[in-house]
Amino acid sequence: DAGVIQSPRHEVTEMGQEVTLRCKPISGHDYLFWYRQTMMRGLELLIYFNNNVPIDDSGMPEDRFSAKMPNASFSTLKIQPSEPRDSAVYFCASSLEPGPVPYEQYFGPGTRLTVT
Amino acid sequence: AQSVAQPEDQVNVAEGNPLTVKCTYSVSGNPYLFWYVQYPNRGLQFLLKYITGDNLVKGSYGFEAEFNKSQTSFHLKKPSALVSDSALYFCVPFNYGNNRLAFGKGNQVVVIP
Repeated sequence: DAGVIQSPRHEVTEMGQEVTLRCKPISGHDYLFWYRQTMMRGLELLIYFNNNVPIDDSGMPEDRFSAKMPNASFSTLKIQPSEPRDSAVYFCASSLEPGPVPYEQYFGPGTRLTVT
Repeated sequence: AQSVAQPEDQVNVAEGNPLTVKCTYSVSGNPYLFWYVQYPNRGLQFLLKYITGDNLVKGSYGFEAEFNKSQTSFHLKKPSALVSDSALYFCVPFNYGNNRLAFGKGNQVVVIP
């Protein structure tokens, strides 16, 4: 398997523009997570899905952020409109559903977003 | 609630010396603990995890971690550090109730040639 795939790897956009980040999880994984990493706050969980259904979006900063998972192999994180403070590295991760023991999450390479 | 503390902001070690990245935990119930590493400009990679059983857990890239219940610690160790081990290391508790890994800021490790 190719692992978790994210695109684009780098995105530079102007304030006010719409940004869409994409993720393809590992095939067969039931859970998908979106994280944001900044120097100030470290790695924060934004939202996660189980079997394509959003379970907890309490980490989404505000209404400008939205995430979808239309099928088991694709998810998007959208920011509209974008602001300079959204500049960060965004990671997607996937894992199997926990059974008797929890499984590790596998991370994609991340998307470095710069909003000017 | 599950939480961990990684007490040092940065760990500096000379190449070839033993590397230890400290982690103490505070959990209710059975602890599930993970170590992840993030190399520069890369995504996070899983190193190892403690679920139950042997207190010494062996992982990737020559790393191991020792679970110590009496000291509530789960320190990551490597006998001989490499310059390529310079990275950000995360000790992460797993919350079984909501399938969450509670990441923080991690610990920066710098291996000096």
